[in-house]
Amino acid sequence: GQSLEQPSEVTAVEGAIVQINCTYQTSGFYGLSWYQQHDGGAPTFLSYNALDGLEETGRFSSFLSRSDSYGYLLLQELQMKDSASYFCAVKGQAGTALIFGKGTTLSVSS
Amino acid sequence: DVKVTQSSRYLVKRTGEKVFLECVQDMDHENMFWYRQDPGLGLRLIYFSYDVKMKEKGDIPEGYSVSREKKERFSLILESASTNQTSMYLCASSLRGQNYEQYFGPGTRLTVT
Repeated sequence: GQSLEQPSEVTAVEGAIVQINCTYQTSGFYGLSWYQQHDGGAPTFLSYNALDGLEETGRFSSFLSRSDSYGYLLLQELQMKDSASYFCAVKGQAGTALIFGKGTTLSVSS
Repeated sequence: DVKVTQSSRYLVKRTGEKVFLECVQDMDHENMFWYRQDPGLGLRLIYFSYDVKMKEKGDIPEGYSVSREKKERFSLILESASTNQTSMYLCASSLRGQNYEQYFGPGTRLTVT
């Protein structure tokens, strides 16, 4: 079967750093995406990792280890507006659609 | 900017009714997708399409059908709505070969009573 595991909830304070992990088990693997969804809003694309290593985009970074079937999203200098749900998603095989995890709800407090 | 629009933000239908959810994207994307989102279950793929008149079943196609007569428009049809189809429905689109980067519409919250 195919599955993605990520924590259901994470809490942190403003200014802190938080890491949201994602482990996957899929038949075939092309890459790992991350999406952000604010309450009542649409998911928005954050990043995509096809190769091992760290990709940095401003305060957000995403990491992939293909050998460990593992990735994470790193959020630095947390702000209240970062409170949202974060989904990892795997592109498993050519021509197939994304498989989404169930999401991690991040709550940032002051 | 990519824009994906959905025909309704909120919809209330009765059990047994035929329901049409419309999605339009304005960026000439080849791929379009329909998901439903339920608390604790994440996004589950219902159907997707890689081209006009082409469709593929996702993980939960039962009770749904789709239509893609034009490249920019992808419709989701509930042939006979049931209460277990009460959910948030999200449409998305992407460029061919780049379905790792999908653009989502605002969603339609459908309630079936």
